[in-house]
Amino acid sequence: GAGVSQTPSNKVTEKGKYVELRCDPISGHTALYWYRQSLGQGPEFLIYFQGTGAADDSGLPNDRFFAVRPEGSVSTLKIQRTERGDSAVYLCASSFDGEGGYTFGSGTRLTVV
Amino acid sequence: RKEVEQDPGPFNVPEGATVAFNCTYSNSASQSFFWYRQDCRKEPKLLMSVYSSGNEDGRFTAQLNRASQYISLLIRDSKLSDSATYLCVVFFSGSARQLTFGSGTQLTVLP
Repeated sequence: GAGVSQTPSNKVTEKGKYVELRCDPISGHTALYWYRQSLGQGPEFLIYFQGTGAADDSGLPNDRFFAVRPEGSVSTLKIQRTERGDSAVYLCASSFDGEGGYTFGSGTRLTVV
Repeated sequence: RKEVEQDPGPFNVPEGATVAFNCTYSNSASQSFFWYRQDCRKEPKLLMSVYSSGNEDGRFTAQLNRASQYISLLIRDSKLSDSATYLCVVFFSGSARQLTFGSGTQLTVLP
């Protein structure tokens, strides 16, 4: 597609539930990033994929968070046993070669109630 | 200490004013520098890259001082449409190959 697509745009879930957030990057972009943005803060790095592999997952806050990119294109961020503190906008970005100048998707606004 | 620090503002300026934003970064090995713009409830969008020699794009001028680890953005002749949050961003192409964002500086241009 023309841009980075994220679905759903909004997700409300109950505390303790499992959620999946999807990112469809720009075609041909090998680098894919997940960020999390809380109100009044800049985006915070979660995980970086180069192709199918997670090149850097140092930003994942704990083992409830996991992300996959099985075919080197679409990525899914998975959050188990959601907590109210997980509420944020989850942003996905892709880049042709990982050298900055990323294009962001419009994000998924996750609300845990 | 945060890796990228910005004055959060808010900056409220009249149309036509000149406004400057500053940013400092802690990782001296940072290699690339950017300013992103983020409108309310929207995703960040690249405004401009920042080069050591300084660079200009219309009303926007970006400066980088590697010795002081300092980045700036100058906006001349502010327009109402410039109202947004401006994010200072650094990139380190090492093992942690990622963009690191500041918290952003909020700008409101008033009529």
